Amino acid sequence: NAGVTQTPKFRILKIGQSMTLQCTQDMNHNYMYWYRQDPGMGLKLIYYSVGAGITDKGEVPNGYNVSRSTTEDFPLRLELAAPSQTSVYFCASSYLGTGNNSPLHFGNGTRLTVT
Amino acid sequence: AQKITQTQPGMFVQEKEAVTLDCTYDTSDQSYGLFWYKQPSSGEMIFLIYQGSYDEQNATEGRYSLNFQKARKSANLVISASQLGDSAMYFCAMREGRDDKIIFGKGTRLHILP
Repeated sequence: NAGVTQTPKFRILKIGQSMTLQCTQDMNHNYMYWYRQDPGMGLKLIYYSVGAGITDKGEVPNGYNVSRSTTEDFPLRLELAAPSQTSVYFCASSYLGTGNNSPLHFGNGTRLTVT
Repeated sequence: AQKITQTQPGMFVQEKEAVTLDCTYDTSDQSYGLFWYKQPSSGEMIFLIYQGSYDEQNATEGRYSLNFQKARKSANLVISASQLGDSAMYFCAMREGRDDKIIFGKGTRLHILP
């Protein structure tokens, strides 16, 4: 099993450009999450999904969009990149929901710089 | 209001000593789960321990234990016999039953001194 795979690992964008951060998992997990981590800070939830076809906003959704057409894939779209979106982005998944010892499995992250 | 509060931005602990990392949480849900993660300087997120809101016993995993005080909404991580390899950022996180969001605290950077 590959687990949670994120691509690309690194990316530099110019202000106003758009891009999609890819996330795929092969563990048949229903729950998927996108976080951003600014330098020296904690993780902030951007969007999450409890199953294919269902997405919900997290703490910091502005400037991002997501879709969940399959169980495996949960891409994150940046439409008009801004310097404030410079961060490390983590995708994560879990098998079960609340009430279960079902921790998040994390990808290795995408380091994004917007200049 | 913050859902997860970690009040210790940084801690320095002598090797082999026990260390307690604080975490308080805020929720009105009856069903929720609490997690601790370790993030070494390499950047990956490593799951350490889980405590469910209905679990009557404090969770333990090897050298890690969770001091769960439900009435005080506190879920402190205790690391016994600290090692140099324990130097890392530690994050407390909560999953609420109402929506399955998982929210993280700001973290505590732990330094283990030889």
